[in-house]
Amino acid sequence: DTAVSQTPKYLVTQMGNDKSIKCEQNLGHDTMYWYKQDSKKFLKIMFSYNNKELIINETVPNRFSPKSPDKAHLNLHINSLELGDSAVYFCASSPIAGNEQYFGPGTRLTVT
Amino acid sequence: ILNVEQSPQSLHVQEGDSTNFTCSFPSSNFYALHWYRWETAKSPEALFVMTLNGDEKKKGRISATLNTKEGYSYLYIKGSQPEDSATYLCASLTGNQFYFGTGTSLTVIP
Repeated sequence: DTAVSQTPKYLVTQMGNDKSIKCEQNLGHDTMYWYKQDSKKFLKIMFSYNNKELIINETVPNRFSPKSPDKAHLNLHINSLELGDSAVYFCASSPIAGNEQYFGPGTRLTVT
Repeated sequence: ILNVEQSPQSLHVQEGDSTNFTCSFPSSNFYALHWYRWETAKSPEALFVMTLNGDEKKKGRISATLNTKEGYSYLYIKGSQPEDSATYLCASLTGNQFYFGTGTSLTVIP
């Protein structure tokens, strides 16, 4: 069983579209995160949720919004996609904030 | 934005050699230091989480130390094997935010 899963694995879409990336963890963890890996392979945190409450909100454009229907899911919704949004997005979870993180396989988003 | 820096950026060693690399981070408002191992086409996997000054952790041939006063951590690999080839990331939890370094890419030559 996959501990942290993301769907889709690849997403190709046009500028201006709205898209979502789903993340699910079956580890019973309390905290989930979204990261963006930029062109230099650098991981930057975007959001984290602890028990459905946002506890970190890095300075990302408000076109990005995390949505957590329950503790096991943290989805990333992106409005009005731009070319610069092309990247690999990683979801992660940890038992509590600050503990080791378990990463999903990543979603490669390409905006054309 | 805080700077977490790792050195060297890349490293090639012969099988059997021991090696080490460095992660430096701002020491103010420090909470924890994480090390992750990231193989190509896979996801980062946690190696160590350290919080206290002087912490030393070990997992097999890999070990790490932490100096929170001066803001650095070392990762050591003893007797490198080809399967150790990966990018090693460190991340500092400062306040309530994680800051990742850009990683050290290790290649172990058989």
